[in-house]
Amino acid sequence: KAGVTQTPRYLIKTRGQQVTLSCSPISGHRSVSWYQQTPGQGLQFLFEYFSETQRNKGNFPGRFSGRQFSNSRSEMNVSTLELGDSALYLCASSLTGYAGELFFGEGSRLTVL
Amino acid sequence: AQTVTQSQPEMSVQEAETVTLSCTYDTSESDYYLFWYKQPPSRQMILVIRQEAYKQQNATENRFSVNFQKAAKSFSLKISDSQLGDAAMYFCAYRSAIGTYKYIFGTGTRLKVLA
Repeated sequence: KAGVTQTPRYLIKTRGQQVTLSCSPISGHRSVSWYQQTPGQGLQFLFEYFSETQRNKGNFPGRFSGRQFSNSRSEMNVSTLELGDSALYLCASSLTGYAGELFFGEGSRLTVL
Repeated sequence: AQTVTQSQPEMSVQEAETVTLSCTYDTSESDYYLFWYKQPPSRQMILVIRQEAYKQQNATENRFSVNFQKAAKSFSLKISDSQLGDAAMYFCAYRSAIGTYKYIFGTGTRLKVLA
């Protein structure tokens, strides 16, 4: 069974640009959540989707958005990039998003110059 | 709001020895789940162990066990017979049993295993 796949793995952008990250969950998993990981901050919850609906959102500005498609694949978008957006963005999938195990992708490392 | 605190940014342990990683959390809820996740260098994060708050018995997975103290809101991870492959970032996480669907993670503890 294929794991969680995130693309691209690495990307470099400049301030003001926008970026779109993609996540393909494990087959059959309907919940996809996104996290921002930075040194010293740990993982900060961005949002969670289930069956194309956003069920919860973290405390991030509106520049961060996401969506989920009918095949459970998810994308997150960051507009008007700032230097502080440089981070590892992790996607995790689970069957239902309840207290079961989260399965993480390897992440997309974003560097903003 | 719930919070998770890992006060040890980094720890070291000799191979074959035992190490305990600390985690405290704050919540007003009575029903929740606690997790320890492991993130090896440049590899995917994986679940190490999970504890349901309503269970008094501490969870155990092979060399990994937890000391869950609900009243003290403490959830430490003990790794016995440490191996080189245990070197990683370890994250403690909290999830409510009802309502929201987000996990709250601590800032992590980097574990080094010395040969």
